Amino acid sequence: GEDVEQSLFLSVREGDSSVINCTYTDSSSTYLYWYKQEPGAGLQLLTYIFSNMDMKQDQRLTVLLNKKDKHLSLRIADTQTGDSAIYFCAEGTNQAGTALIFGKGTTLSVSS
Amino acid sequence: DTAVSQTPKYLVTQMGNDKSIKCEQNLGHDTMYWYKQDSKKFLKIMFSYNNKELIINETVPNRFSPKSPDKAHLNLHINSLELGDSAVYFCASSRGGAGVETQYFGPGTRLLVL
Repeated sequence: GEDVEQSLFLSVREGDSSVINCTYTDSSSTYLYWYKQEPGAGLQLLTYIFSNMDMKQDQRLTVLLNKKDKHLSLRIADTQTGDSAIYFCAEGTNQAGTALIFGKGTTLSVSS
Repeated sequence: DTAVSQTPKYLVTQMGNDKSIKCEQNLGHDTMYWYKQDSKKFLKIMFSYNNKELIINETVPNRFSPKSPDKAHLNLHINSLELGDSAVYFCASSRGGAGVETQYFGPGTRLLVL
């Protein structure tokens, strides 16, 4: 069945780069997403990448996709304390009404 | 100008009660969803509606009943609440047409059953 795996924790120092990794199993996934959840808050869409792309950059965020290995990563440059949150990787088939399959989330802790 | 809104944000209630959570989106989307986030932060789909028609109905107890009075609203009614229903419930919406079916989430409803 479909499965999305992420490491559970990442700790970095302010100003460093953070790299959060994700692996997925569903070959039919069309889009892959990164969401951010701050404590007590909802899910904020950070970025997404189409499955035929290798890379997408959006300001401090860089998404890399290795479709052959089904590996997705999110790099946050110049990590700030405000980036501390849970980051969820999700895959979807881009059909209306179908579910996103989420990983269990990576808790990013940024120390000053 | 909130895109996806949910009420209430917090809900504390006794076992056995019946409660409803409301969701509204002002994005003009055709598709709406309910997800459940458990205590370990795991998110799983419960239901989805496209143009007011039920698309996904995962294996949730039939005490949970979604209702979509129109495309902008998807409410969740829960009968005979149990301790295990305590969770955060997220509503989401997506375009439901051509293009990227990005799902936009509401702020969540934190349900605590005592």
